[in-house]
Amino acid sequence: EVQLVESGGGLVQPGRSLRLSCAASGFTFDDYAMHWVRQAPGKGLEWVSGISWNSGSIGYADSVKGRFTISRDNAKNSLYLQMNSLRAEDTALYYCAKVLGSTVGAFDIWGQGTMVTVSS
Amino acid sequence: AIRMTQSPSSFSASTGDRVTITCRASQGISSYLAWYQQKPGKAPKLLIYAASTLQSGVPSRFSGSGSGTDFTLTISCLQSEDFATYYCQQYYSYSTTFGQGTKVEIK
Repeated sequence: EVQLVESGGGLVQPGRSLRLSCAASGFTFDDYAMHWVRQAPGKGLEWVSGISWNSGSIGYADSVKGRFTISRDNAKNSLYLQMNSLRAEDTALYYCAKVLGSTVGAFDIWGQGTMVTVSS
Repeated sequence: AIRMTQSPSSFSASTGDRVTITCRASQGISSYLAWYQQKPGKAPKLLIYAASTLQSGVPSRFSGSGSGTDFTLTISCLQSEDFATYYCQQYYSYSTTFGQGTKVEIK
């Protein structure tokens, strides 16, 4: 079964850091680009960051650029998001998502999400 | 960044209705457009990609059309399980963006 499972969310104070993980199974992980998408409570979907299959292409939303770092370990079938200098507005459910094609494309597989709450 | 604008933001409909949701891009995106359905407490589900290609397993009552800047998602005969929020997404740019969502509610 093709599956993505996020972990690492929780309650964190403003200015602190958190590292999210996404474990992939059921497909050849290193064939596909991967992305992080977040959804604040009661709000719409916001793209956060994406990484190509070989980490050669990486992109970030302006709202997280310079604070978040995406990475992947193809040997471990895992995707990561290092989040530094967290702000209240980063509070959201964070999803990892697999690209349908090998590079750019729609997101055909999503995890269940991990909740990040930034509050003092 | 490419801005995606959906209309309407929400509306009420009845089972059996034909419904259409519109998505407009701030610049041309060819056919690099996807549609998703999201139900409360669930992750988004891919319905359509490349503007008009139905994802495997998605009922044929869903269809998509358009290219360039204007796109539509049509549900030909609304079913009870279709009441949800729908999002469009452009992937013309690596910095992908989503529309703000359209909530389809029961009349």
